[in-house]
Amino acid sequence: GAVVSQHPSRVICKSGTSVKIECRSLDFQATTMFWYRQFPKQSLMLMATSNEGSKATYEQGVEKDKFLINHASLTLSTLTVTSAHPEDSSFYICSARVGGFNSNQPQHFGDGTRLSIL
Amino acid sequence: AQKVTQAQTEISVVEKEDVTLDCVYETRDTTYYLFWYKQPPSGELVFLIRRNSFDEQNEISGRYSWNFQKSTSSFNFTITASQVVDSAVYFCALTYTGGFKTIFGAGTRLFVKA
Repeated sequence: GAVVSQHPSRVICKSGTSVKIECRSLDFQATTMFWYRQFPKQSLMLMATSNEGSKATYEQGVEKDKFLINHASLTLSTLTVTSAHPEDSSFYICSARVGGFNSNQPQHFGDGTRLSIL
Repeated sequence: AQKVTQAQTEISVVEKEDVTLDCVYETRDTTYYLFWYKQPPSGELVFLIRRNSFDEQNEISGRYSWNFQKSTSSFNFTITASQVVDSAVYFCALTYTGGFKTIFGAGTRLFVKA
C-alpha cells in the first residue's frame, strides 16, 4: 500500500517552456504532499509543502512564482516550473504521508522527474 | 536547530563484508522520528525503517540492522554480508514534531563490489 505515482519521469525541453509535474497518491488520501529538488550527488532539498485546498508553503529561497504548486484534490498535487531555464534542470521528487501533515508516518516517494532544460 | 549529519560521503566494500552507515542528528524536540531511505541508481526513494524517539530498541530485518542511541544522538545502519544490489545512496532523515517537516542528511553512497 501507500503508493505515490509521479509523472512524467523525464522531461527534456527548450528554455522558456513551462513544465508541469504531477504527483498522485494512488491508494490513500494525501492532504499534504511535499516537493523536493535534488541536484546530482546531493541530498533532497525541501522546496514546498503542498496542502489540499489551500496555498502551498514554500521554503526560504524558493520562488513561488517560478514553482507553482496546486493541490486541487486529496490525491493530486502538481508542480509547474514556469518559463524553465537551464538552471532549473534537476531531479524533482514528490512525497506524501499517510495521515496528513502532522502524521509521523514515513513519507512515500514518487519515482522522481528528471528535468533537463536545453 | 534540526540537523542530520552523515559524515561518510562514500563507502566502498567488497561483497560479503559488513558495513555500517553513520547518522548523527540534532533536534530540541523531545518527540521526533528517524528514518532511513535507500536511493538506488534508478532514483526512486525506498523507505527502510522508522524509529520514534521513545523507542530505543535496536531492530533487525534480514541483513539490515539499526542501532538507535539517544545518548549519542545517533541512528546507525548496518548491512551484514553486503551484496552488489545494496549499492545505492542511503539517506538518514529526521521528522521533528515542531514543524512536521522532514530533513535529510547528505546521504552516503555505498559501492559494493563483486
